[in-house]
Amino acid sequence: EVQLLESGGGLVQPGGSLRLSCAASEFISTSFGMAWARQAPGKGLQWVSSISGSGAKTYYADSVKGRFTISRDNPNHMFYLQMNNLRAEDTGVYYCVKTGSFYYHYLDVWGKGTTVTVSS
Amino acid sequence: SYVLTQAPSVSVAPGQTARITCGGSNIEKKSVHWYQQKPGQAPIVVVYDDYYRPSGIPERFSGSNSGNTATLAISRVEAGDEGDYYCHVWDSSVDQGVFGGGTKVTVL
Repeated sequence: EVQLLESGGGLVQPGGSLRLSCAASEFISTSFGMAWARQAPGKGLQWVSSISGSGAKTYYADSVKGRFTISRDNPNHMFYLQMNNLRAEDTGVYYCVKTGSFYYHYLDVWGKGTTVTVSS
Repeated sequence: SYVLTQAPSVSVAPGQTARITCGGSNIEKKSVHWYQQKPGQAPIVVVYDDYYRPSGIPERFSGSNSGNTATLAISRVEAGDEGDYYCHVWDSSVDQGVFGGGTKVTVL
């Protein structure tokens, strides 16, 4: 089974930017969507963004629309989440996830997560 | 936006059946997925598309979806089933994912 490894988390000031990366252990077919989900400390899961297999279609939660950009580099089996204008409420663990098939399908394979802390 | 409602907690004795519900408007029209998350770990999917089990998930886990409520049932509950359980759907009206608030399962 493919494994996902996130990186790029850290401490950033409000208004700052971070780019999260997700490396897959093997090629992920363009038949599969990818997603990012997050979890604030002590809170539940929140869907953040999804991308279609080709990368042509992207989807965002209202809370991050216009600030976050999801992308994928299929030949290098890398996936990204560019986060701009970060807010305190963006703090949490960010998970990279491979879907079961299409971008709207279940979240099949999860990475271990990378922690983002937005604080001054 | 579409809202999924879960009870915050469920307690169950070992060997009994735990039922975790996920309420949503006409949820039967959507495909519901369920995830288990143990402390300090990433979630794993235990049921997808209402009632399908991924390989490696015990048959004790089952799902159903009718009317305004989807249900995850865990039969013959074991101590290792403790954790948080989340339901999840795709809201195609706005093309966004939605999670329920999560239910903490405690084995007495």
